[in-house]
Amino acid sequence: KAGVTQTPRYLIKTRGQQVTLSCSPISGHRSVSWYQQTPGQGLQFLFEYFSETQRNKGNFPGRFSGRQFSNSRSEMNVSTLELGDSALYLCASSSDLVTEAFFGQGTRLTVV
Amino acid sequence: AQSVSQHNHHVILSEAASLELGCNYSYGGTVNLFWYVQYPGQHLQLLLKYFSGDPLVKGIKGFEAEFIKSKFSFNLRKPSVQWSDTAEYFCAVNALGNEKLTFGTGTRLTIIP
Repeated sequence: KAGVTQTPRYLIKTRGQQVTLSCSPISGHRSVSWYQQTPGQGLQFLFEYFSETQRNKGNFPGRFSGRQFSNSRSEMNVSTLELGDSALYLCASSSDLVTEAFFGQGTRLTVV
Repeated sequence: AQSVSQHNHHVILSEAASLELGCNYSYGGTVNLFWYVQYPGQHLQLLLKYFSGDPLVKGIKGFEAEFIKSKFSFNLRKPSVQWSDTAEYFCAVNALGNEKLTFGTGTRLTIIP
């Protein structure tokens, strides 16, 4: 069974630009969550999607948004990038039967 | 709101030493508890989880954790560590029925051969 796949693995963007990150969950998983990992703040929850609907949201500004498609794949978008958005962005998927999150390898975003 | 505290930021042990990493959480309702491990350059992997039942749970690679409800704690233990256990360890909780995980700040474990 393939794991959670995130693309791209690495990104370098300039301040003010926008970026889209992609996540393909484990087959059959309908819940996809996104987390931001930084040395200073640790792992922080961004949002969770289930069956194409945002079910939970963390405390991030509106520049951070996401969506989920009918095949459960999810994208995360960050607009008007700031230097502080540099982080490892992790995607996790879980089945609606068992609360256990499986994580992808992450996308390392560097904003310069 | 939920919060998780991991008191040890960096732990250094020799091989074969015993390990205990502390985790305390704050939440008024029923929670699920997890320990995740992140080996260098790899993704977060689940070590073990507690949902209900026996408060002593066993995970992969010889790890175990004990849920003590009265202390709001879920400490991770291993009787004899190996060099390959060098990694960062994260304690996490979520409320029953909620996928949102709240993580502790992590404990970096370094095992000296």
